Amino acid sequence: AQTVTQSQPEMSVQEAETVTLSCTYDTSESDYYLFWYKQPPSRQMILVIRQEAYKQQNATENRFSVNFQKAAKSFSLKISDSQLGDAAMYFCAYPESSGNTPLVFGKGTRLSVIA
Amino acid sequence: DTGVSQNPRHKITKRGQNVTFRCDPISEHNRLYWYRQTLGQGPEFLTYFQNEAQLEKSRLLSDRFSAERPKGSFSTLEIQRTEQGDSAMYLCASSPGFGETQYFGPGTRLLVL
Repeated sequence: AQTVTQSQPEMSVQEAETVTLSCTYDTSESDYYLFWYKQPPSRQMILVIRQEAYKQQNATENRFSVNFQKAAKSFSLKISDSQLGDAAMYFCAYPESSGNTPLVFGKGTRLSVIA
Repeated sequence: DTGVSQNPRHKITKRGQNVTFRCDPISEHNRLYWYRQTLGQGPEFLTYFQNEAQLEKSRLLSDRFSAERPKGSFSTLEIQRTEQGDSAMYLCASSPGFGETQYFGPGTRLLVL
């Protein structure tokens, strides 16, 4: 079975500081996509960042960037200059197979931002 | 682009009753997905459609659950003879096609008493 492991159930960061959320996954596919989603309290899930596995360059979106290590099957999310609005559950996810796109999610990391 | 919408947002029902949820995907997105999320967990896949065809159903989807997407636009998820274990957030997502990002709706929170 495909699995996604987020080993940090909870993290906290001071406002304006940097935090890294970890994610490891298990797939036998060679070409796939990886996603980080954010789910604020009582609000809907939104995409933070997306990485194509065939690209060696790490994806970046403003203050969000990833460290993608394909051989190690690791996909961590770095949030720079943390803001109070970054407080949320963060989920790592990837499609269950190359020919099928339902996503497999990790259990999430709850991020708190301290003012 | 108005995003994915779901109705109702909240549903409280008694055990044994039937409930139906609706999802309206982003216009022209041909893939539509249903997930279930319980407290403290990530979403788990239930079923998905490409246009009106239901392509896959998870083993989580018991025979009390049925989903349709009759015209390839909106979708409904029905749960018959609800059980307390069905209490969860039911999420709908849509995407333009294979490999594309899935966009999620706000979810329907079900509580079975």
